[in-house]
Amino acid sequence: EAQVTQNPRYLITVTGKKLTVTCSQNMNHEYMSWYRQDPGLGLRQIYYSMNVEVTDKGDVPEGYKVSRKEKRNFPLILESPSPNQTSLYFCASSLLPLRGPETQYFGPGTRLLVL
Amino acid sequence: AQSVTQLDSHVSVSEGTPVLLRCNYSSSYSPSLFWYVQHPNKGLQLLLKYTSAATLVKGINGFEAEFKKSETSFHLTKPSAHMSDAAEYFCVVSDWGATNKLIFGTGTLLAVQP
Repeated sequence: EAQVTQNPRYLITVTGKKLTVTCSQNMNHEYMSWYRQDPGLGLRQIYYSMNVEVTDKGDVPEGYKVSRKEKRNFPLILESPSPNQTSLYFCASSLLPLRGPETQYFGPGTRLLVL
Repeated sequence: AQSVTQLDSHVSVSEGTPVLLRCNYSSSYSPSLFWYVQHPNKGLQLLLKYTSAATLVKGINGFEAEFKKSETSFHLTKPSAHMSDAAEYFCVVSDWGATNKLIFGTGTLLAVQP
Protein backbone atom coordinates (compact mmCIF):
# COMPACT_ATOMS: atom_id res chain seq x y z
CA GLU A 1 0.00 0.00 0.00
CA ALA A 2 1.30 3.43 -0.99
CA GLN A 3 1.74 5.46 2.14
CA VAL A 4 3.68 7.96 4.22
CA THR A 5 4.48 6.77 7.72
CA GLN A 6 5.57 8.80 10.72
CA ASN A 7 6.94 7.73 14.07
CA PRO A 8 6.18 8.24 16.81
CA ARG A 9 2.53 9.20 16.54
CA TYR A 10 2.48 10.76 20.00
CA LEU A 11 5.38 12.13 22.01
CA ILE A 12 5.68 13.93 25.32
CA THR A 13 9.10 15.34 26.13
CA VAL A 14 10.78 18.02 28.21
CA THR A 15 12.44 21.24 27.18
CA GLY A 16 15.91 20.76 25.76
CA LYS A 17 15.81 17.00 25.21
CA LYS A 18 16.73 16.27 21.60
CA LEU A 19 14.23 14.28 19.60
CA THR A 20 13.73 12.97 16.09
CA VAL A 21 10.46 12.34 14.28
CA THR A 22 10.89 9.93 11.41
CA CYS A 23 9.09 10.07 8.07
CA SER A 24 9.20 7.42 5.40
CA GLN A 25 7.43 7.02 2.06
CA ASN A 26 7.23 4.02 -0.25
CA MET A 27 6.14 5.82 -3.44
CA ASN A 28 9.61 6.71 -4.74
CA HIS A 29 8.77 10.41 -4.45
CA GLU A 30 11.51 12.97 -4.91
CA TYR A 31 9.77 15.74 -2.98
CA MET A 32 9.19 15.61 0.78
CA SER A 33 8.11 18.24 3.24
CA TRP A 34 7.32 18.87 6.89
CA TYR A 35 4.42 20.98 8.15
CA ARG A 36 3.20 21.93 11.58
CA GLN A 37 -0.46 22.48 12.37
CA ASP A 38 -1.57 24.89 15.07
CA PRO A 39 -5.14 25.93 15.95
CA GLY A 40 -6.36 28.83 13.87
CA LEU A 41 -3.24 28.87 11.72
CA GLY A 42 -3.75 25.95 9.38
CA LEU A 43 -0.60 24.14 8.31
CA ARG A 44 2.71 25.90 7.82
CA GLN A 45 5.74 24.49 6.06
CA ILE A 46 8.87 23.90 8.13
CA TYR A 47 11.35 22.40 5.65
CA TYR A 48 11.21 20.71 2.30
CA SER A 49 13.44 18.60 0.12
CA MET A 50 13.45 18.32 -3.66
CA ASN A 51 15.71 15.26 -3.66
CA VAL A 52 18.44 13.43 -1.78
CA GLU A 53 20.87 15.83 -0.10
CA VAL A 54 18.76 18.83 -1.22
CA THR A 55 16.84 20.57 1.57
CA ASP A 56 15.59 24.08 2.11
CA LYS A 57 13.76 26.19 4.66
CA GLY A 58 10.05 26.72 4.61
CA ASP A 59 8.14 29.40 6.46
CA VAL A 60 8.87 28.36 10.05
CA PRO A 61 12.26 26.59 10.17
CA GLU A 62 13.57 28.02 13.45
CA GLY A 63 14.40 25.33 15.97
CA TYR A 64 14.24 22.47 13.46
CA LYS A 65 16.70 20.52 11.35
CA VAL A 66 16.16 17.95 8.63
CA SER A 67 18.27 15.57 6.62
CA ARG A 68 17.70 13.66 3.38
CA LYS A 69 20.29 10.93 3.08
CA GLU A 70 17.95 8.49 1.38
CA LYS A 71 15.10 9.12 -0.99
CA ARG A 72 12.47 7.44 1.16
CA ASN A 73 13.32 9.04 4.52
CA PHE A 74 13.08 12.63 5.74
CA PRO A 75 13.51 12.89 9.52
CA LEU A 76 12.67 16.04 11.45
CA ILE A 77 15.09 16.85 14.27
CA LEU A 78 14.46 19.11 17.23
CA GLU A 79 17.87 19.68 18.80
CA SER A 80 16.56 21.54 21.83
CA PRO A 81 12.76 21.47 21.92
CA SER A 82 10.86 24.30 23.54
CA PRO A 83 7.20 24.55 24.59
CA ASN A 84 6.35 26.68 21.54
CA GLN A 85 7.14 23.64 19.41
CA THR A 86 4.19 21.81 20.90
CA SER A 87 2.16 21.08 17.81
CA LEU A 88 0.83 18.50 15.37
CA TYR A 89 3.41 17.65 12.72
CA PHE A 90 2.76 16.25 9.27
CA CYS A 91 5.14 14.84 6.73
CA ALA A 92 4.17 14.89 3.06
CA SER A 93 5.60 13.61 -0.19
CA SER A 94 4.98 13.97 -3.90
CA LEU A 95 6.54 13.56 -7.29
CA LEU A 96 8.74 16.43 -8.35
CA PRO A 97 6.54 19.29 -9.62
CA LEU A 98 8.11 19.78 -13.02
CA ARG A 99 5.14 20.93 -15.11
CA GLY A 100 2.73 21.74 -12.34
CA PRO A 101 1.89 20.88 -8.78
CA GLU A 102 1.79 17.24 -7.89
CA THR A 103 -0.59 15.88 -5.31
CA GLN A 104 1.04 15.72 -1.91
CA TYR A 105 0.35 12.69 0.24
CA PHE A 106 0.37 13.17 3.97
CA GLY A 107 1.41 10.99 6.84
CA PRO A 108 -0.92 10.40 9.82
CA GLY A 109 0.66 13.12 11.94
CA THR A 110 2.78 13.24 15.08
CA ARG A 111 1.38 15.02 18.10
CA LEU A 112 4.21 16.53 20.17
CA LEU A 113 3.94 18.02 23.64
CA VAL A 114 6.99 19.80 25.04
CA LEU A 115 6.82 20.46 28.78
CA ALA B 1 2.10 36.26 -2.73
CA GLN B 2 -0.50 33.57 -2.82
CA SER B 3 -3.03 33.03 -0.08
CA VAL B 4 -6.40 31.48 0.64
CA THR B 5 -9.12 32.68 2.98
CA GLN B 6 -11.74 30.35 4.34
CA LEU B 7 -14.71 32.49 5.15
CA ASP B 8 -16.24 30.32 7.86
CA SER B 9 -14.41 28.70 10.73
CA HIS B 10 -17.43 26.57 11.65
CA VAL B 11 -20.35 25.32 9.56
CA SER B 12 -23.21 23.22 10.89
CA VAL B 13 -25.70 21.41 8.65
CA SER B 14 -28.34 18.76 9.10
CA GLU B 15 -27.85 15.34 7.60
CA GLY B 16 -29.28 15.22 4.08
CA THR B 17 -28.99 18.99 3.47
CA PRO B 18 -26.49 20.68 1.16
CA VAL B 19 -22.98 21.62 2.24
CA LEU B 20 -21.24 24.84 1.20
CA LEU B 21 -17.74 25.63 2.44
CA ARG B 22 -16.41 28.92 1.14
CA CYS B 23 -12.89 29.73 0.02
CA ASN B 24 -11.42 32.78 -1.68
CA TYR B 25 -7.93 32.83 -3.08
CA SER B 26 -5.37 35.43 -3.98
CA SER B 27 -2.80 34.70 -6.66
CA SER B 28 -0.80 36.69 -9.15
CA TYR B 29 -1.06 33.92 -11.72
CA SER B 30 -3.34 31.02 -12.51
CA PRO B 31 -3.46 29.08 -9.27
CA SER B 32 -3.58 25.40 -8.50
CA LEU B 33 -6.15 24.83 -5.77
CA PHE B 34 -6.99 21.89 -3.57
CA TRP B 35 -9.40 20.87 -0.87
CA TYR B 36 -8.12 18.54 1.83
CA VAL B 37 -10.16 16.91 4.60
CA GLN B 38 -8.98 15.96 8.08
CA HIS B 39 -11.12 13.61 10.13
CA PRO B 40 -10.62 13.64 13.90
CA ASN B 41 -7.26 12.20 14.86
CA LYS B 42 -6.52 11.33 11.26
CA GLY B 43 -4.16 12.62 8.61
CA LEU B 44 -5.01 14.80 5.64
CA GLN B 45 -6.79 13.35 2.65
CA LEU B 46 -7.08 15.00 -0.74
CA LEU B 47 -10.70 15.64 -1.72
CA LEU B 48 -10.12 17.28 -5.09
CA LYS B 49 -7.79 19.55 -7.03
CA TYR B 50 -8.03 22.21 -9.72
CA THR B 51 -5.15 22.70 -12.13
CA SER B 52 -6.60 24.90 -14.91
CA ALA B 53 -8.54 22.22 -16.75
CA ALA B 54 -12.31 22.07 -16.16
CA THR B 55 -13.57 24.74 -13.79
CA LEU B 56 -15.98 22.34 -12.10
CA VAL B 57 -13.95 19.73 -10.29
CA LYS B 58 -15.43 16.54 -8.91
CA GLY B 59 -13.81 14.87 -5.97
CA ILE B 60 -14.30 11.91 -3.71
CA ASN B 61 -17.36 11.20 -1.56
CA GLY B 62 -19.68 13.34 -3.68
CA PHE B 63 -17.85 16.63 -3.14
CA GLU B 64 -17.20 19.11 -5.90
CA ALA B 65 -15.79 22.60 -6.25
CA GLU B 66 -16.10 25.30 -8.85
CA PHE B 67 -13.25 27.60 -9.79
CA LYS B 68 -14.56 31.11 -10.46
CA LYS B 69 -11.83 33.44 -11.61
CA SER B 70 -14.06 36.52 -11.65
CA GLU B 71 -14.91 35.99 -8.00
CA THR B 72 -11.52 34.50 -7.00
CA SER B 73 -13.43 31.73 -5.30
CA PHE B 74 -13.15 27.96 -5.02
CA HIS B 75 -16.12 26.92 -2.88
CA LEU B 76 -16.64 23.30 -1.89
CA THR B 77 -20.13 21.82 -2.15
CA LYS B 78 -21.97 18.58 -1.62
CA PRO B 79 -25.67 18.09 -2.38
CA SER B 80 -26.49 16.01 0.69
CA ALA B 81 -24.45 15.83 3.88
CA HIS B 82 -23.73 12.56 5.60
CA MET B 83 -22.76 12.08 9.22
CA SER B 84 -19.37 10.79 8.07
CA ASP B 85 -18.64 14.18 6.44
CA ALA B 86 -18.08 15.75 9.86
CA ALA B 87 -14.44 16.84 9.74
CA GLU B 88 -12.19 19.83 9.21
CA TYR B 89 -11.76 21.01 5.65
CA PHE B 90 -8.81 22.96 4.30
CA CYS B 91 -8.69 25.05 1.16
CA VAL B 92 -5.15 25.04 -0.20
CA VAL B 93 -3.22 26.85 -2.94
CA SER B 94 0.01 25.46 -4.31
CA ASP B 95 3.15 27.53 -4.74
CA TRP B 96 4.58 24.86 -6.98
CA GLY B 97 6.85 27.06 -9.05
CA ALA B 98 9.16 27.98 -6.20
CA THR B 99 8.97 25.54 -3.33
CA ASN B 100 6.05 23.26 -4.11
CA LYS B 101 4.73 24.58 -0.83
CA LEU B 102 1.10 24.13 -0.02
CA ILE B 103 -0.43 27.26 1.49
CA PHE B 104 -3.28 26.28 3.76
CA GLY B 105 -6.34 28.19 4.82
CA THR B 106 -7.19 28.19 8.49
CA GLY B 107 -9.77 25.46 8.08
CA THR B 108 -13.55 25.06 8.34
CA LEU B 109 -14.93 22.67 10.89
CA LEU B 110 -18.04 20.98 9.51
CA ALA B 111 -20.57 19.58 11.95
CA VAL B 112 -23.39 17.37 10.71
CA GLN B 113 -26.46 17.14 12.90
CA PRO B 114 -28.72 14.07 12.79
